[in-house]
Amino acid sequence: GAVVSQHPSWVICKSGTSVKIECRSLDFQATTMFWYRQFPKQSLMLMATSNEGSKATYEQGVEKDKFLINHASLTLSTLTVTSAHPEDSSFYICSARPPAGGAGDIQYFGAGTRLSVL
Amino acid sequence: QQQVKQSPQSLIVQKGGISIINCAYENTAFDYFPWYQQFPGKGPALLIAIRPDVSEKKEGRFTISFNKSAKQFSLHIMDSQPGDSATYFCAASEGGGSRLTFGEGTQLTVNP
Repeated sequence: GAVVSQHPSWVICKSGTSVKIECRSLDFQATTMFWYRQFPKQSLMLMATSNEGSKATYEQGVEKDKFLINHASLTLSTLTVTSAHPEDSSFYICSARPPAGGAGDIQYFGAGTRLSVL
Repeated sequence: QQQVKQSPQSLIVQKGGISIINCAYENTAFDYFPWYQQFPGKGPALLIAIRPDVSEKKEGRFTISFNKSAKQFSLHIMDSQPGDSATYFCAASEGGGSRLTFGEGTQLTVNP
């Protein structure tokens, strides 16, 4: 299956600093990438949809100025958590979707990034 | 209308038994129904998926049963193994690459 690489897998930062998480599709071009947040023992909550070359679409209640998303190429999207605070501590997961077509509905997920804000 | 309801929340099965997880949806525009498996600290991995034009799809020990009229679909894991112990999520989308709506998840434990 297709591989989505997410980096870093774990990051600890001080309150007030910014953290960047990268999501790469390694063997396919991803016109669309998605960013999710997952709290312990809960489901995945979609934060935003990222299309290459255009602004991300954020879900209701997600602060776009706090969670900056950039999708500069067909294989890379980044999520920057700006001025992180302890309540931002969570598991962040990206997914990537191949171009439209037979497999266009499938989303392949990265391994996730655990963010701990002290 | 966008919700996908999943049950049970947790499930304990003996090795060799059948694990059954159910999901129900309301949005009749949904036309793609995947199941994901997630181990602790890892991202979800696609297990199997189905579209509404078939009532059943089988891949190895995993089978999806789909009931379009009832707006329900289920995952059956045959000959469950301890290595199957994980959290399982059903999901649905309207197709064309639109967003996935996830169920609440089922924590499966398979006892040796």
